[in-house]
Formats: sequence, C-alpha cells, structure tokens
Amino acid sequence: QSVLTQPPSASGTPGQRVSISCSGSSSNIGSRTVNWYQQLPGTAPKLLICKDNQRPSGVPDRFSGSKSGTSASLAISGLQSDDEADYYCSSWDDSLNVVLFGGGTKLTVL
Amino acid sequence: QVQLVESGGGVVQPGRSLRLSCAASGFTFSGDAMHWVRQAPGKGLEWVAYIWHDGSNQDYADSVKGRFIISRDNSKNTVYLQMNSLRAEDTAVYYCARDPSGSGWALHNWGQGTLVTVPS
Repeated sequence: QSVLTQPPSASGTPGQRVSISCSGSSSNIGSRTVNWYQQLPGTAPKLLICKDNQRPSGVPDRFSGSKSGTSASLAISGLQSDDEADYYCSSWDDSLNVVLFGGGTKLTVL
Repeated sequence: QVQLVESGGGVVQPGRSLRLSCAASGFTFSGDAMHWVRQAPGKGLEWVAYIWHDGSNQDYADSVKGRFIISRDNSKNTVYLQMNSLRAEDTAVYYCARDPSGSGWALHNWGQGTLVTVPS
C-alpha cells in the first residue's frame, strides 16, 4: 500500500469537472509540496502540477492543484477525452527520506 | 529542448548485474539533480534513487538500497544506474528524470524509459 493514498479510479463526462484526492501525513504532504503527474497510455509520465498549485509551461489552466493540511487535490475542469490517463501525486517524505508516489488514479472519460 | 534518453535495458538473469545510462541534453546538466523512477508492468510509479547535481549526495528506496548505485558524469551529461543482484521484482520500465534546483522534488522532464526484465 502506498503512503500517499489516491482513489484507484475516477470518471466524468466531457465538459465536467473532476477532482482526484491524495491523502498523506505530516511528514510528507503536511510539510512538503505536492506534485502531480499525468501518464497517458503507453507514454512516460509528464509533470502536470508542481509545488502544490503551479502549472509548468504548456499545461492548460483546466488543470489546477490545491492542498489543505495533509491532503491535496487535482482538479480538471472542462474534461476532454484526451484527459483519459493515469494521474499520480508525489511528495518528499521527511521521515522516510524518499520521494513518494501515490498509487495512481485511472481517469476515464465516459 | 530538454531531452533524456535511457539505454541499457534488456533481459538479465536473477543475481546478475546491469547498468542503465541516461544521456541528457538541452539544459545545464551539472546544475540539476537527477532521479531514476521505475514502473513494473501494469503497476504504478516507484521512485528508485536520486543524485545531487554535483554527485555529492545520493539516496535510495529501501527496495534497492545496497544493490543499486546511482552515479553521474557531468562531463558526459550522463546519469547511470548500476543494478546488482537483480531480482524478478526489479522487472520494470526504468525512467530517468530531471529535478531542477529549487523545484521541490518535482520531476520536470522524463525520458522514454528502458525496460529491464528479470525472469523468475
């Protein structure tokens, strides 16, 4: 089981807004920034959100990140079929001294 | 344009060794930390190791500590992963990734990955 907990799946219809949660603890999300990655089928992961809520250049503003306490969320608005992918949260853990990844959430666009 | 190209993967028998390479271009390699992340078939991402920009510090996941060694050659813009005493559970696609200074452990760029298969 991953230290960072994500729901295994999420879904939505085109145009909808969906959120994916990531739950951690005081030694990771509670004290460190959270990053989110998108992995399209058969491709390498891509950085989607860094430092809790910053979008790297080229990432559409339909994607947003937030954090509160020991939990973080990724929101996708105006859902598109191209958004169908696996999404991972990540954070450094001060107790384990490792980079943690959540177990991943498979997003299906219905 | 940042480019990371992994090589060195293949099929290797349990207990043997393999060295992966990741050639970097398009950025100041000596200024950034580098990571290896792996993904077993059909599974999620697992962080493996990182190395500081100047090679002065490294750390490893418990699952590989004592068996894998990360290193870099800044004169060749290349990071390596020496994998020893390989096990079936090390079978995965191995990605190298760039961690710019001050990024908060965000991996901004990834290679295409190289597959390592250790038969059981």
